[in-house]
Amino acid sequence: KAGVTQTPRYLIKTRGQQVTLSCSPISGHRSVSWYQQTPGQGLQFLFEYFSETQRNKGNFPGRFSGRQFSNSRSEMNVSTLELGDSALYLCASYLQSGYTFGSGTRLTVV
Amino acid sequence: GDSVTQMEGPVTLSEEAFLTINCTYTATGYPSLFWYVQYPGEGLQLLLKATKADDKGSNKGFEATYRKETTSFHLEKGSVQVSDSAVYFCALSDGRGSTLGRLYFGRGTQLTVWP
Repeated sequence: KAGVTQTPRYLIKTRGQQVTLSCSPISGHRSVSWYQQTPGQGLQFLFEYFSETQRNKGNFPGRFSGRQFSNSRSEMNVSTLELGDSALYLCASYLQSGYTFGSGTRLTVV
Repeated sequence: GDSVTQMEGPVTLSEEAFLTINCTYTATGYPSLFWYVQYPGEGLQLLLKATKADDKGSNKGFEATYRKETTSFHLEKGSVQVSDSAVYFCALSDGRGSTLGRLYFGRGTQLTVWP
């Protein structure tokens, strides 16, 4: 059974650009959540989707957005990138057994 | 709001030593509790979980008991190995069963085990 797949693994962007990250959950999982991991702030919740609907949102500015498609795949977008957006972005899919995380996308903003 | 506080690291142990990483939580309801492990360059792997008071989660020799009276979920292992070197995160979820919830994480504890 394939795990949670995140693409790309690594990304380098320039300040002011925008970026889109992708997450494919485990087959059959309809819930996807996104987290940002930085050395300074630790792991912080971004958003949560279930059946294409955003169910929960963390305390991030409007530059951070996401969506979920009918096949449960999810994307998150960050517009007008800032240096502080450099982080590991983790996606998790959920079934009753618990949350399973992907390996993450390492975003570096220069 | 909900939150998790865990022991600051780093923790350095010799192989076969006993490990304890303390974790306490604050929650308004009845959360589920988790320990996750992160190896260098990887995402988070679920180590163990407990969904109600007095439940004991266990996996790969690690154990943690959900203590409602002390709002704690301390991670223990009787004999650590070099391969246990990683960052450990305590977390709680405000979701239930098939309903959804966000995870609140502690800051993580870096464990290094020397041979």
